[in-house]
Amino acid sequence: QLQLQESGPGLVKPSGTLSLTCAVSGGSITSSDWWTFIRQPPGKGLEWIGEIYHSGTTNYNPSLKSRVTISVDKFKNQFSLNLISVSAADTAVYYCARTLTPANHFDHWGQGTLVTVSS
Amino acid sequence: QTVVTQEPSFSVSPGGTVTLTCGLSSGSVSTSYYPSWYQQTPGQAPRTLIYNTNTRSSGVPDRFSGSILGNKAALTITGAQADDESDYYCVLYMGSGISVFGGGTKLTVL
Repeated sequence: QLQLQESGPGLVKPSGTLSLTCAVSGGSITSSDWWTFIRQPPGKGLEWIGEIYHSGTTNYNPSLKSRVTISVDKFKNQFSLNLISVSAADTAVYYCARTLTPANHFDHWGQGTLVTVSS
Repeated sequence: QTVVTQEPSFSVSPGGTVTLTCGLSSGSVSTSYYPSWYQQTPGQAPRTLIYNTNTRSSGVPDRFSGSILGNKAALTITGAQADDESDYYCVLYMGSGISVFGGGTKLTVL
């Protein structure tokens, strides 16, 4: 059974960098799937952040592209999110998920982790 | 920038049928957008209901169905139950690796 687990600091200072890791178990990150980050500000809707393939190819939300980097570590079977120059607007529950192609849907999700941007 | 539109809220009576829609601020939704639907209850991660327009995810009851209605994707719940009271999100694939969530519909069963 595929499982995804987010980890990282729950508090980040404004103008700092938000860094999260998603550990994948029960399956290989080198499968023919994409690996995705999604976020949800408190009380608001879901927002697609971006995705990565095990080759390192990435796709990003155009509204976040200038601040986002997603990377993959095949040896640790995990992928990571870096978001720079954060502000309070980046406070959200961050989810990682697997994206299956060609239908481009998210079939497995992590439980999510709350990251608060505050001094 | 293209916006994916959903009804902010909807209500349905227990046992009733409700259709939620997913549209585009400009243009029509077709199967080429690979519409998918997710159900989320408070404090939980979303759960996949429908993908590729009308394919039910494993374990999803057949009272949930997906389709294209006119120029929108649609999620129909037939015989609504109390535990269907949730937030529902659609996602459209825009091409070039980009997916966009709709704003979500809060469904009340009463």
